[in-house]
Amino acid sequence: AQTVTQSQPEMSVQEAETVTLSCTYDTSESDYYLFWYKQPPSRQMILVIRQEAYKQQNATENRFSVNFQKAAKSFSLKISDSQLGDAAMYFCAYRLGTYKYIFGTGTRLKVLA
Amino acid sequence: SAVISQKPSRDICQRGTSLTIQCQVDSQVTMMFWYRQQPGQSLTLIATANQGSEATYESGFVIDKFPISRPNLTFSTLTVSNMSPEDSSIYLCSVEMRLAAYNEQFFGPGTRLTVL
Repeated sequence: AQTVTQSQPEMSVQEAETVTLSCTYDTSESDYYLFWYKQPPSRQMILVIRQEAYKQQNATENRFSVNFQKAAKSFSLKISDSQLGDAAMYFCAYRLGTYKYIFGTGTRLKVLA
Repeated sequence: SAVISQKPSRDICQRGTSLTIQCQVDSQVTMMFWYRQQPGQSLTLIATANQGSEATYESGFVIDKFPISRPNLTFSTLTVSNMSPEDSSIYLCSVEMRLAAYNEQFFGPGTRLTVL
């Protein structure tokens, strides 16, 4: 069965510093998609970044980048120059088939001023 | 992109009652999804709702407990029936849309349900 594991329930980072959130997954598929979603307190969940498994190049979106290690089934999120607005719950997700998503348990990120 | 609204945003209900949650999308979509996010936990897919057909439920969820309607391509409802305190969760609807070369899933703001 496909699973997504986020081993860090909570992380803290100093404003302007860099933090990396970990995610591992388990799948027997060769072609799939991975995502990081951000859920601010009492706010809507939004997509941060996506990665296609067939692409070797790591995805980047402004201050957010991923380290995708397909063989190791690892998909970590790096946030550079952290800002107070980055404080949120971050979910790693794997898309199975055409629409079904498997979510990890989330990592709560605190940004310290 | 898609703008999704949910009503109510939160509610406190008594045990044994039912609550219907509405989800409205600003564009027509084929598939809508309902998730449950229990306190401190991840999102779990309850069911997939296609317009004009019965919803497809995931393992552990049944129609009698979570009836779903999908009367048109922009609207869906989820009813939480005969509620118990274990049903206290955030319920989210989502849609998947085709954007350029890939699909993206958009989420509603959620309905926070507390059952006493």
